[in-house]
Amino acid sequence: NAGVTQTPKFQVLKTGQSMTLQCAQDMNHNSMYWYRQDPGMGLRLIYYSASEGTTDKGEVPNGYNVSRLNKREFSLRLESAAPSQTSVYFCASKQIRGLIKNIQYFGAGTRLSVL
Amino acid sequence: GESVGLHLPTLSVQEGDNSIINCAYSNSASDYFIWYKQESGKGPQFIIDIRSNMDKRQGQRVTVLLNKTVKHLSLQIAATQPGDSAVYFCAENTRETSGSRLTFGEGTQLTVNP
Repeated sequence: NAGVTQTPKFQVLKTGQSMTLQCAQDMNHNSMYWYRQDPGMGLRLIYYSASEGTTDKGEVPNGYNVSRLNKREFSLRLESAAPSQTSVYFCASKQIRGLIKNIQYFGAGTRLSVL
Repeated sequence: GESVGLHLPTLSVQEGDNSIINCAYSNSASDYFIWYKQESGKGPQFIIDIRSNMDKRQGQRVTVLLNKTVKHLSLQIAATQPGDSAVYFCAENTRETSGSRLTFGEGTQLTVNP
């Protein structure tokens, strides 16, 4: 059981380049999330998908787009990367029913540098 | 605006001592609180949670206390070990029409000295 898998683990981009961060979970969770974490700070929500077929903006959505491809996969796209988007990106998922609802499970992160 | 914050950015303790990490929250509508542990280079890992209708919850070596009167949350780690060294985040869960979401505090770096 892999849990939440993020790819790639590391990425370096030039300003203006585009890329898609991939996230997949094998826990049959309904909700998925994308966060960014900057040095010395907590996690800030970029976008989330409460259930398959829905997406909503979080706290810091500007410069990003997301796609909930299916129940397992939730991707984050940077159309034109900027140095301010240098960060560590975490994907998370959670169940919405049952005893373990509300607990988000995180992937290992994607470390992105934009030069 | 509403926020979740931590009183202390760093905490250093001796191995075997008890650790207390504090968190203040301001959203009285939050119905659920979670503590996460994040080791260097890894994603946050769930430690313990507590519902807003509870005051205390215990796990293995960890206890979370919730004081809704002063909107304060704490994580107590008993007999702290070097493996407990990490950044600890509190998070509050709020319900919205589009689904619930977590708001994280800034984190406290716990260092355990041998």
